[in-house]
Amino acid sequence: DAGVIQSPRHEVTEMGQEVTLRCKPISGHDYLFWYRQTMMRGLELLIYFNNNVPIDDSGMPEDRFSAKMPNASFSTLKIQPSEPRDSAVYFCASSRDMSSVVYTFGSGTRLTVV
Amino acid sequence: KQEVTQIPAALSVPEGENLVLNCSFTDSAIYNLQWFRQDPGKGLTSLLLIQSSQREQTSGRLNASLDKSSGRSTLYIAASQPGDSATYLCAVRRQTGANNLFFGTGTRLTVIP
Repeated sequence: DAGVIQSPRHEVTEMGQEVTLRCKPISGHDYLFWYRQTMMRGLELLIYFNNNVPIDDSGMPEDRFSAKMPNASFSTLKIQPSEPRDSAVYFCASSRDMSSVVYTFGSGTRLTVV
Repeated sequence: KQEVTQIPAALSVPEGENLVLNCSFTDSAIYNLQWFRQDPGKGLTSLLLIQSSQREQTSGRLNASLDKSSGRSTLYIAASQPGDSATYLCAVRRQTGANNLFFGTGTRLTVIP
C-alpha cells in the first residue's frame, strides 16, 4: 500500500484565494482525520470522518474552512478565502476502525498564504 | 479538555548517550498513549503505543513507560545515534467519546556525532 497520499506537497497562495488540499486514505481504513500543525499550537485535529460521514468538526477554525469526503478513497479540505494565519502544515491521517491503534499519517501539505 | 505537554522543547546530546523525553497529560482517563517520530518535512511515524492498562512498551533501543495516575509518560532512547535526530511527539487518545488523538508540541532531538 502506498500509504496516505496528500497533494499538493507545497502550496503558496495569495490572501483571499481559495485553497483545496487533497487526501487519499489507505484502502480499507474507515476513519479519516485532518490535522493542522503550527509552531505555536502543535498538531490540532480539525475534523474527522467515519465511513465518509463527518463525525466531529469542532476543531474547524471558522466558516472559511470546509471538508468533504465524497467517497471512501478521497477527501478535501478547502479554505475560502485564505488568510496568512492559515499558513501551516496540514496532515491527513487514516485508521482502520475504533479499536485500531495505528494511525497512518500522510506527508502533509505545507500551505503558505502571503 | 485534555492538554499534553512535552518537556524539554529541544534537546541536544552527544552520540551514544542515553536520554529521556517527557510527556505529561492533564486527564488520566485515556485509552492509550502513542509516541511518534517526525522528520523535517515529513509526516508522523508511530514508534510505540501503550494501552492504558500497560506500564511500558519496548522496541529495540526505545522504551516507553506510562504512569496513568500521575499523567506522565517517558520515552527512553538508549545509545543514541545521529539518525535518531527528529522531533518526538506524544499523543493520547481519550477513553470515551471522539476517536482522536491529542498531541503534545514535541521535543526536537539532535544527536551530535
